[in-house]
Amino acid sequence: DTGVSQDPRHKITKRGQNVTFRCDPISEHNRLYWYRQTLGQGPEFLTYFQNEAQLEKSRLLSDRFSAERPKGSFSTLEIQRTEQGDSAMYLCASSLARSGHEQYFGPGTRLTVT
Amino acid sequence: KQEVTQIPAALSVPEGENLVLNCSFTDSAIYNLQWFRQDPGKGLTSLLLIQSSQREQTSGRLNASLDKSSGRSTLYIAASQPGDSATYLCAVNRFLGNQFYFGTGTSLTVIP
Repeated sequence: DTGVSQDPRHKITKRGQNVTFRCDPISEHNRLYWYRQTLGQGPEFLTYFQNEAQLEKSRLLSDRFSAERPKGSFSTLEIQRTEQGDSAMYLCASSLARSGHEQYFGPGTRLTVT
Repeated sequence: KQEVTQIPAALSVPEGENLVLNCSFTDSAIYNLQWFRQDPGKGLTSLLLIQSSQREQTSGRLNASLDKSSGRSTLYIAASQPGDSATYLCAVNRFLGNQFYFGTGTSLTVIP
């Protein structure tokens, strides 16, 4: 069990550029979640998948944000036309039903938009 | 919408002291409550998961309790150590496997 991994760990981009983050969940976990966290706040939910199906999206997820989990394994989160307000830590988590859907988080991707 | 509050926002204790962190939530119709620890600039580490049918969970020096009817949970840390210094977050969800709603955390400093 290698845990949840995220890539890259840090991303600095200029306003208006597109960025893509990747999350690899724990291998047998069928649920995958994306959260965003800003300094001094708890994580805020963005979206989640069961296998390859995207089941729920937060209103925080504007039309500039898109997430995929094409084969029910890894997931990508893309932000188009980044804005300074997108600067945050993007966290991925995964869970499994037989463990009560206890969520296990990755190390996060720190995005800085200049 | 579920609101989760954690008090205090920050806590500083001498090494060896026992301490309690508090978490309250506005909607008692929860399924799971999970406690996490977060070190600066890092992801979250799961500490304890309490399902709605349970009243408490224990892991080592940690004990978490849940009172759904009053919308409260506590995390008890026994014999605190400097390595316990971190931010502690609680989170609740309404349905099994659904999104979690997080509090803003309690920043704990254990002084050697």
